[in-house]
Amino acid sequence: AQKITQTQPGMFVQEKEAVTLDCTYDTSDPSYGLFWYKQPSSGEMIFLIYQGSYDQQNATEGRYSLNFQKARKSANLVISASQLGDSAMYFCAMREISSGTYKYIFGTGTRLKVLA
Amino acid sequence: GAVVSQHPSRVICKSGTSVKIECRSLDFQATTMFWYRQFPKQSLMLMATSNEGSKATYEQGVEKDKFLINHASLTLSTLTVTSAHPEDSSFYICSARVPGQGRGVTEAFFGQGTRLTVV
Repeated sequence: AQKITQTQPGMFVQEKEAVTLDCTYDTSDPSYGLFWYKQPSSGEMIFLIYQGSYDQQNATEGRYSLNFQKARKSANLVISASQLGDSAMYFCAMREISSGTYKYIFGTGTRLKVLA
Repeated sequence: GAVVSQHPSRVICKSGTSVKIECRSLDFQATTMFWYRQFPKQSLMLMATSNEGSKATYEQGVEKDKFLINHASLTLSTLTVTSAHPEDSSFYICSARVPGQGRGVTEAFFGQGTRLTVV
């Protein structure tokens, strides 16, 4: 069964520093997509970055990059040059593409606090 | 990106009453929408998959008769919490799949969420 694990319930980072949020996953589907979402206190889910299981290169979107290690089944999010506005909950999610169901499974989240 | 609008953002209702939450795709047609529930400081749990013109597919453990889902058009899905009880208090959030999106982009956009409090 597919599973997403985020082992860091909370993280602190100094403003302008980089931070890595961990995510490991488990799936038997050879084709899958990995996503990171940001959820500020207002509640909406904001898409940050996507990595496909067959993508050869790590995904990058501005200050966000995904450290994809397929053999280790990890998809860590790296935020560079942290800003105060980055303080939020961060969720890692996965979709098994071969299943065709478009169902997303979410991890338990990591609460990031950026310190001034 | 695509816009998904969810309404209301907050609702307080009395125990025993029913509450309807709307999820609209504003600039695209969504054949599939998803409803999630999120307890405080916890993850999003998929409740059901809503397909336009057909019955919703509920996840294991979700009461179909309590959480009624209707997807009557390509731009609107509704979740009705019937005979609400305090334990139904939660954050409910919908997402809509954007058809035709390929790899490298998100396939699902989320509404703003609805915080339901049953008193």
